[in-house]
Amino acid sequence: GNSVTQMEGPVTLSEEAFLTINCTYTATGYPSLFWYVQYPGEGLQLLLKATKADDKGSNKGFEATYRKETTSFHLEKGSVQVSDSAVYFCALSFSTSAGRSPFFGTGTSLTVIP
Amino acid sequence: GEEVAQTPKHLVRGEGQKAKLYCAPIKGHSYVFWYQQVLKNEFKFLISFQNENVFDETGMPKERFSAKCLPNSPCSLEIQATKLEDSAVYFCASSPPLQGYGYTFGSGTRLTVV
Repeated sequence: GNSVTQMEGPVTLSEEAFLTINCTYTATGYPSLFWYVQYPGEGLQLLLKATKADDKGSNKGFEATYRKETTSFHLEKGSVQVSDSAVYFCALSFSTSAGRSPFFGTGTSLTVIP
Repeated sequence: GEEVAQTPKHLVRGEGQKAKLYCAPIKGHSYVFWYQQVLKNEFKFLISFQNENVFDETGMPKERFSAKCLPNSPCSLEIQATKLEDSAVYFCASSPPLQGYGYTFGSGTRLTVV
């Protein structure tokens, strides 16, 4: 089956610290992988994506590399800011399944303190 | 427009009352999805539509939940005889045809059952 596992939170970091949020997946076939971010009181926003093995998605200083050999898509940022405080969701979906919901991880809450 | 519009933002219902939530997808998007987010961030998929047709309803509690997407009207999610455990934030998302990603989420409706 298809599933996503991400590290449990909450994660609390000081400003300018390095961030890693782990995500691993199980998939039948060749999925696209995503990170979504949810700010307080809002819906999910796409943060970055990668559609094939070894692709690196990046946006707003965040990066994640699609690693087929380890079935992982870990999110990293070199220097977090207070404004990065949010919940982060790893997800997978298949480009051939337009009407199927993505498979979401359970979310990791990040709090960045000044 | 370029956003998924959900109304109302907040809804309070007494146990046993009916709740109806609305979602206007982005013009040109063929697929609409409904999710329920309760404690610990987890997104639970409820149902998806392809235009006005139900595409995937595997997550939908059949007893009290129903949903529709009619032409020229916002999509709706209705909960008959609400229970305390229905308290959650309900999110709608839409996506274009022919693509397994590119989901845009609304900002949600917070339902509180008292």
